[in-house]
Amino acid sequence: SAVISQKPSRDICQRGTSLTIQCQVDSQVTMMFWYRQQPGQSLTLIATANQGSEATYESGFVIDKFPISRPNLTFSTLTVSNMSPEDSSIYLCSVPDSQVNNEQFFGPGTRLTVL
Amino acid sequence: AQSVTQLDSHVSVSEGTPVLLRCNYSSSYSPSLFWYVQHPNKGLQLLLKYTSAATLVKGINGFEAEFKKSETSFHLTKPSAHMSDAAEYFCVVSDPRGSGGYNKLIFGAGTRLAVHP
Repeated sequence: SAVISQKPSRDICQRGTSLTIQCQVDSQVTMMFWYRQQPGQSLTLIATANQGSEATYESGFVIDKFPISRPNLTFSTLTVSNMSPEDSSIYLCSVPDSQVNNEQFFGPGTRLTVL
Repeated sequence: AQSVTQLDSHVSVSEGTPVLLRCNYSSSYSPSLFWYVQHPNKGLQLLLKYTSAATLVKGINGFEAEFKKSETSFHLTKPSAHMSDAAEYFCVVSDPRGSGGYNKLIFGAGTRLAVHP
């Protein structure tokens, strides 16, 4: 299994500002995933971040709003740009199991509240 | 297309009674199915998974699920609920059309399990 940490664990931000969320993994992984969990709802995949290439975004998510960096095999950041109250969510990163590519390990999440 | 439907948004049981959380899936492929649990203010934890081996899958903490292809179901059960089982449970199907050769995970809407003394 992989141990994943995220920073910050929670934050309260003003609308119009941006927040960068960090995800650190204790082992090298090629792929990392970012999810959003809006209040009372399920998880939705935002994008897949492959080290050394541009992230691949899911329908409804765009790079200008959610830029992602993947500088090395153990780290990634997700920025939530020009925030509005609708961006209030839990943001989670995950990595695939090195043995089984359809299984993922999840970080603890970042709880974001936008006022 | 891959999708999952969790039939109950909330389930409430008494401690010591059985738990049943229902999940139906739709898949164009031979599916891989999972149940994840999310305790308040904690990360997601894998309970169990089905990947085309035995149809009755046993997981952690006494949970199990049965894959029924004829009913396209993957219901989660536990014989006797414990207070610590109170959490949000997600049924998940794997979509092989993910980026970079990795499967995407498609989450159900979730079922909140409450356990009363």
